Amino acid sequence: GEDVEQSLFLSVREGDSSVINCTYTDSSSTYLYWYKQEPGAGLQLLTYIFSNMDMKQDQRLTVLLNKKDKHLSLRIADTQTGDSAIYFCAEIQTGANNLFFGTGTRLTVIP
Amino acid sequence: DGGITQSPKYLFRKEGQNVTLSCEQNLNHDAMYWYRQDPGQGLRLIYYSQIVNDFQKGDIAEGYSVSREKKESFPLTVTSAQKNPTAFYLCASSISTPSTDTQYFGPGTRLTVL
Repeated sequence: GEDVEQSLFLSVREGDSSVINCTYTDSSSTYLYWYKQEPGAGLQLLTYIFSNMDMKQDQRLTVLLNKKDKHLSLRIADTQTGDSAIYFCAEIQTGANNLFFGTGTRLTVIP
Repeated sequence: DGGITQSPKYLFRKEGQNVTLSCEQNLNHDAMYWYRQDPGQGLRLIYYSQIVNDFQKGDIAEGYSVSREKKESFPLTVTSAQKNPTAFYLCASSISTPSTDTQYFGPGTRLTVL
């Protein structure tokens, strides 16, 4: 089956940039997503990128996609304490009916 | 306000009992999904429905059942056959097939079996 992997933990200092990485195995991925989950809450869609793009920027968020290496990253500039959460990458393949999620990366922002 | 609601937020159940989790959306989405989240793991798909009166099993459907009698509603029943039901359950919806449409999530229900 499809495998989507992320590191479990990341700590950064407030004001620094955070980079959360994700690797996936299936080259037929169509869309790749980043979701944010705050404690005890559902998932909030942050951004997504289509597989024919290599970069997408949205305010403090930058998504980079290296399709050759099957590597996706999310960069958060000027990280704030409110960014502390679990971040999930997810991907969907052409013709599939469900998302495949990574394990989630818990980002802790140190004041 | 448009969105997805799940109730209750917390649910406790005795072993051997069935329990039903509610999921309602007013986004006019055709597709709805149920995921289970366990600590340190990604979300795993339980069931999904692409249209009213139709649903398919996901990766971990055993011990669960669903119905889709109305477009807005996709309740999930956790049966006594589910061996390890304590988890966080998330419902999602999308306009239609997810290869083109983004899934939006509800706030989740935390089920604890006592």
